[in-house]
Formats: sequence, C-alpha cells, structure tokens
Amino acid sequence: SQQGEEDPQALSIQEGENATMNCSYKTSINNLQWYRQNSGRGLVHLILIRSNEREKHSGRLRVTLDTSKKSSSLLITASRAADTASYFCASRRAGGTSYGKLTFGQGTILTVHP
Amino acid sequence: KAGVTQTPRYLIKTRGQQVTLSCSPISGHRSVSWYQQTPGQGLQFLFEYFSETQRNKGNFPGRFSGRQFSNSRSEMNVSTLELGDSALYLCASSNLAGGNNEQFFGPGTRLTVL
Repeated sequence: SQQGEEDPQALSIQEGENATMNCSYKTSINNLQWYRQNSGRGLVHLILIRSNEREKHSGRLRVTLDTSKKSSSLLITASRAADTASYFCASRRAGGTSYGKLTFGQGTILTVHP
Repeated sequence: KAGVTQTPRYLIKTRGQQVTLSCSPISGHRSVSWYQQTPGQGLQFLFEYFSETQRNKGNFPGRFSGRQFSNSRSEMNVSTLELGDSALYLCASSNLAGGNNEQFFGPGTRLTVL
C-alpha cells in the first residue's frame, strides 16, 4: 500500500504558470524525494530534501518539507509544455535498514498547455 | 556515466510461465532496488539488494524473487505468472553515499501476462 498521498491527482495549467503539488506521508522519514515520469517510462530523480531541511531549490523547482504536518510540496515555476508528466513523492522511512526502500505517493498528473 | 539499464524492455508471457528480468546498475552503485508499477496499486517496493544480499523485501508473494551478482547486476524472477503480474517493473540503483539514497531508475521492463 502507498504511504503517501498526493494532491491534486491531476493538474492542468497554461505555459508560464506555476504548478504546485502536495504530498503527505504517514511515518517519520529520513528524507523525501520527488520524481518525474513521462508516459509510463522510467522515473527521473528531481530533488531530495532531508528531514532536517525545510526548503530546497533546484532551478525552477522549489520543495518544502513540514515534518510536523508530515507533508511536502513541489513548486514548478514558469512551467513549460515539456514539464507535462506524472510527479511522485517518495519517502525513506527513518530508522531501520530501509536504505534503498522508498514509499511512493500515488502521483500527480501535470498537463501544461502551450 | 551510463545510466541504469534493464532488459528486456518488453515481454509478453502467458499465465503459468516464469520470467527473469535483468538490471545493470550505474557503475559503482552497490544497491539495487526493484519496484512494480501498476495503474491500480501504483509504485510498490519489491526488494533491495546490497553487496549480493537481500536487505529488504516488500509485501509480495514468494513467486517474486531476486538476486544480485558480484558485479552488482541484479535479476528478478517471477514464477507461475498471473494476469495481475502485468506491470512495469522498474529497477533503481543507488550508491547510498552519505546516507542519502537517491535512486536512479532504469527505463523499466513492461511485462504483459496473457
């Protein structure tokens, strides 16, 4: 079963607009990662934020993490048609030996219209 | 550096057969994880291997198995295939440097069970 839930499930915007996706998780985490997937292909790693970080930037991406609310958000600024894809959050549980195990959210399907 | 490669990319099998999927991680990465992606269940963790040892296993029946070789290449095997095993099988590798576990995914193997 999926630990995370993402919202919205689908998002449709115009080129140039910003897109915000939210993710919630259930257990304490070591880090949270965001991935992009184009049309049933492999996942592309976008950004990793550690549990002791609150915000991280990478190019047009901004990720926030609120461990008290067990939630994260991904903001894509000035979106482009090429950003059209499914976006997933994935968390690594704190403690134990789950070094390589990620628990994924259900994903947000983003469509950017030119 | 070459990315994660998976073979074959597409596979069609019939119920009751068995299948072996292969994954070659990024050079230097010793951790390999496998995930199953279906429209209904999303992305689910299958297992993780590190230095030829299975370190973690998801909630899948014993028909799903895997192994890792000394060169870090990994295979997963599904025996007695069922229709519900139709999915995109994704392999990911990580070097686990600094406790991070950024997973780099391959393009996947799309398995169709008829």
